[in-house]
This record gives sequence, C-alpha cells and structure tokens, in this order.
Amino acid sequence: EVQLLESGGGLVQPGGSLRLSCAASGFTFSSYAMSWVRQAPGKGLEWVSAISGSGGSTYYADSVKGRFTISRDNSKNTLYLQMNSLRAEDTAVYYCAKLTDTYSSSYGPPFDYWGQGTLVTVSS
Amino acid sequence: SYVLTQPPSVSVAPGQTARITCGGNNIGSKSVHWYQQKPGQAPVLVVYDDSDRPSGIPERFSGSNSGNTATLTISRVEAGDEADYYCQVWDSSSDHHWVFGGGTKLTVL
Repeated sequence: EVQLLESGGGLVQPGGSLRLSCAASGFTFSSYAMSWVRQAPGKGLEWVSAISGSGGSTYYADSVKGRFTISRDNSKNTLYLQMNSLRAEDTAVYYCAKLTDTYSSSYGPPFDYWGQGTLVTVSS
Repeated sequence: SYVLTQPPSVSVAPGQTARITCGGNNIGSKSVHWYQQKPGQAPVLVVYDDSDRPSGIPERFSGSNSGNTATLTISRVEAGDEADYYCQVWDSSSDHHWVFGGGTKLTVL
C-alpha cells in the first residue's frame, strides 16, 4: 500500500525558514517523480514544485522560485521541501504527491497518491 | 502563463448527471487530469489523460476534452459525490509546470 506522510509544518515568522519532509513507502521511491502541492485556507490547489526520480530535474512555480528548494534522498525514501524567506501568502496545507510516471517536455503525468498534508502558518 | 477556468459551483439532484467544465486556450491539445477533494481530505485522482479512470474509480466518472473545453461528467450522482473538483494540465508553453483550475464545488441537492 502506497503511503505518503508529511511532517515539518508549523508556525514560522515572516522571513523565516522551514523544511518539510515526506516519508514514502509501498512503492519503489526512486522510480517515480514527486511533487509538492499547497492549498491556502479555503482556497484551491496550487502546484509548488516537482522533482524527477533521480533528483536530477526540478521544476518550480514562479511564486516560490528562488525561495524554495525541492530535494529527495532515495536511500531514505524521503522527499523534502526547504522553504526560505517565507511570506504570509505561503500559509497553506502542503501536500506531497507521487506522479504516475516521469514527466517530459511534452507531458505532465497526474498525481495518483497524495499525503494528508502538513500545515504551514507564516505569521508574526 | 496558462489559465484554467472552472465554474465555482454546480448543483445536481441525486440520480441526475453532473457536468463540470474546465476552459483553457486550445485545451483539447493537452492531457487533462481531474481530482476530487472532500472536506478535510487530500485530493483523489478520478480521471486522467482526458478520459481514463484509475482503478477503483466508478464508471460513473468520465471525461472528455475538445477545443477549448474539457468536461468531467458524473452520471447517476450520489450524495457521496459532493466535493470540490479540480482540473489540471501540464503547461510547457513558457516554463514547465502543472496548472490547476480554480475548482468547482459540486452540491448534491
């Protein structure tokens, strides 16, 4: 059974940093691209970042580029999101998600498994 | 950047058919994925690549995509289908990233 368990959320002041983790199990972690998606309170889904199975390719939404860094440790079956220079508008539930396949320049696969999310609150 | 437009809400009586649209410029040339999200829960993939269903998703859920509109159709709607629904595409026009529609709240009357 595929399981994704996020951790690391919490309350942080504007300008602060936080690192989220997503522990994966039930599948061959290194074979699949992974992603982070967030959802502000009462709002819709917003894609944040993605990383290939090997970790050699990464993509970011414009809203987080230069502030967030996605990475993975395939030996630990864990996905990370390092968030720096946090702003109030980064307040959201952050989900990690598994992609069904690798992405390419012409195709972005769907996200077939999601974690339950971890809440990040940026406030003074 | 690419924009996906969904109606904020759709209402339907039990047993009827619900159609949720997702508009985008020439969206018919892209692969569209659909997610269902119930309150307090993570999203669930219900349709991918326009019209395919993951295992475990009822046949009542179907999708189509042509021109500037993709549609998620839910036949014989049940009370348990009440949820938010999001469409998603891969945008490679400027930078490579996924885009979500704003979401549609499906209310079962």
